[in-house]
Amino acid sequence: KNEVEQSPQNLTAQEGEFITINCSYSVGISALHWLQQHPGGGIVSLFMLSSGKKKHGRLIATINIQEKHSSLHITASHPRDSAVYICAVRSVWGSSSGTYKYIFGTGTRLKVLA
Amino acid sequence: EPEVTQTPSHQVTQMGQEVILRCVPISNHLYFYWYRQILGQKVEFLVSFYNNEISEKSEIFDDQFSVERPDGSNFTLKIRSTKLEDSAMYFCASSEAGLGTKTENTIYFGEGSWLTVV
Repeated sequence: KNEVEQSPQNLTAQEGEFITINCSYSVGISALHWLQQHPGGGIVSLFMLSSGKKKHGRLIATINIQEKHSSLHITASHPRDSAVYICAVRSVWGSSSGTYKYIFGTGTRLKVLA
Repeated sequence: EPEVTQTPSHQVTQMGQEVILRCVPISNHLYFYWYRQILGQKVEFLVSFYNNEISEKSEIFDDQFSVERPDGSNFTLKIRSTKLEDSAMYFCASSEAGLGTKTENTIYFGEGSWLTVV
């Protein structure tokens, strides 16, 4: 069983729809990232959060530490939002030098149709 | 917007050859990472690096792999004798992460270097 599970794996939406992508994890974490991977492969960090909720433009990310669950919401979706969205969790303990391990989910492939 | 840059963007190499992938992290960052993503699979952690030494490495990062920061700006990943299963996208990343759970230390990824071993 993967330590980080995402759902759905694939999602097709019509432009303008409200989209929710879910991430559940089974390990202790110090933070959770939502990443966007473009069709060309490049990865961009969207959010890093350890509690509550963050908003950036049309994107909203929430996390519930007790339930070990996070959601990424996209409001008024647009074809340019089409990408793979990846949830990655950061380990609780860093190394003595301050680096952390990250565990990645398998990603949710989103396609928004015009 | 500061960015992590990687070269080459794509390299094809013969099995058994040595490959060096190069990364220029964001200039004031101190922590560096390599990840890989085999086609169709999830991103996997390879190694983290700080203060000119490896901090952590995964079981994937065996003796065939090495990392180096040769000149204070580049951060390289070397694969000594490539195997077919090394074919993947390799991502470099950097962060300012320090000790403790400083949640605002985000991680910045490069665009990736696609390695094909034939």
